[in-house]
Amino acid sequence: GQNIDQPTEMTATEGAIVQINCTYQTSGFNGLFWYQQHAGEAPTFLSYNVLDGLEEKGRFSSFLSRSKGYSYLLLKELQMKDSASYLCAALDSNYQLIWGAGTKLIIKP
Amino acid sequence: DAGITQSPRHKVTETGTPVTLRCHQTENHRYMYWYRQDPGHGLRLIHYSYGVKDTDKGEVSDGYSVSRSKTEDFLLTLESATSSQTSVYFCASSYVSGGPETQYFGPGTRLLVL
Repeated sequence: GQNIDQPTEMTATEGAIVQINCTYQTSGFNGLFWYQQHAGEAPTFLSYNVLDGLEEKGRFSSFLSRSKGYSYLLLKELQMKDSASYLCAALDSNYQLIWGAGTKLIIKP
Repeated sequence: DAGITQSPRHKVTETGTPVTLRCHQTENHRYMYWYRQDPGHGLRLIHYSYGVKDTDKGEVSDGYSVSRSKTEDFLLTLESATSSQTSVYFCASSYVSGGPETQYFGPGTRLLVL
């Protein structure tokens, strides 16, 4: 079956760095997305990786290892507004997105 | 941000009644999707559309039907609502399916079936 695993909840301190991990098992693979979702709002796109390596976009970076079925989202210089759920989703061979349940990130002052 | 709206934003209904949720996008996106989001689960695809009058089932399509008569509108119908269909429903759209084209989401509809 197809499966995405990510931690349910993480806590970090304002100004610090946090890494949210995601492992995936899909029928075929055409890329890995990260979305941010604030409570009560719609998911919004953060990043897309299809090749191995690190993609940096401001305070946010995303890493992919296709051989390990693993990705992480790295958030630097955490701000209170980064408190949200972070959704990992893999694109399978049919170009359907398989979604993880999301990681709720709590930022403390 | 893509212009995607959903209506209604909140709805309370009774078991056994039909319910229709509407999604409207102004981006001329070809692909549209309906998802449900429940605690402890990832977004689960209900149905999707790859063009006017072209639709297909997703992972959790039982009890749901869809229609797309215009590029901009995608309707989701619960034929006879059940309590297990209490959820938050998100519509999304994309220009192409797959690749780096992202899906843009509407604000969601909170549905409570009593």
